[in-house]
Amino acid sequence: AQKITQTQPGMFVQEKEAVTLDCTYDTSDPSYGLFWYKQPSSGEMIFLIYQGSYDQQNATEGRYSLNFQKARKSANLVISASQLGDSAMYFCAMRGSGGSNYKLTFGKGTLLTVNP
Amino acid sequence: SAVISQKPSRDICQRGTSLTIQCQVDSQVTMMFWYRQQPGQSLTLIATANQGSEATYESGFVIDKFPISRPNLTFSTLTVSNMSPEDSSIYLCSGGRAGTDTQYFGPGTRLTVL
Repeated sequence: AQKITQTQPGMFVQEKEAVTLDCTYDTSDPSYGLFWYKQPSSGEMIFLIYQGSYDQQNATEGRYSLNFQKARKSANLVISASQLGDSAMYFCAMRGSGGSNYKLTFGKGTLLTVNP
Repeated sequence: SAVISQKPSRDICQRGTSLTIQCQVDSQVTMMFWYRQQPGQSLTLIATANQGSEATYESGFVIDKFPISRPNLTFSTLTVSNMSPEDSSIYLCSGGRAGTDTQYFGPGTRLTVL
């Protein structure tokens, strides 16, 4: 069974500062993928970044980077230069083997508030 | 990125009625999934929509309550049957583009049952 743990129900950050959202995972699959999604109040789920378990480099997408520490089973999201529009729920998710076909298991989410 | 559309975007329904939600993707994906997000909660997988065969349901979800169809690769429907206020949730479909690792979500259907 797969499990995702997000221990921060809420986080606050000042505009233009960086923030780290924590995510730890547990799985017995030898190959897996880790995702971060953003959910604004509108309810849509916006894909941010993906990290494969065998990827040697940490994933980056613009202001988003994923700090992947495989031995510690952590996949923290780092948002640099926070913007007011970054205020939203952020979910960490995992898929097991099977490429994009496999279902996702989600954490409980972290509500990020960016203050001006 | 894949474009996934859903309709309706929101609805308010009476107890005991049923609602069918449609999901359309812009390209062929191998599998499509339906998730439920209850108020203030995370996403929970309802089922995997399989083309041409019965959907694969997760524990706690049954076909009689959540019948799913997928008549072709790019279209699927989820019906929420005999609704009660506990079914008030956001329902989201997702799909992955073949050959990639990313899964994309539709905009969601916000359902309120009175």
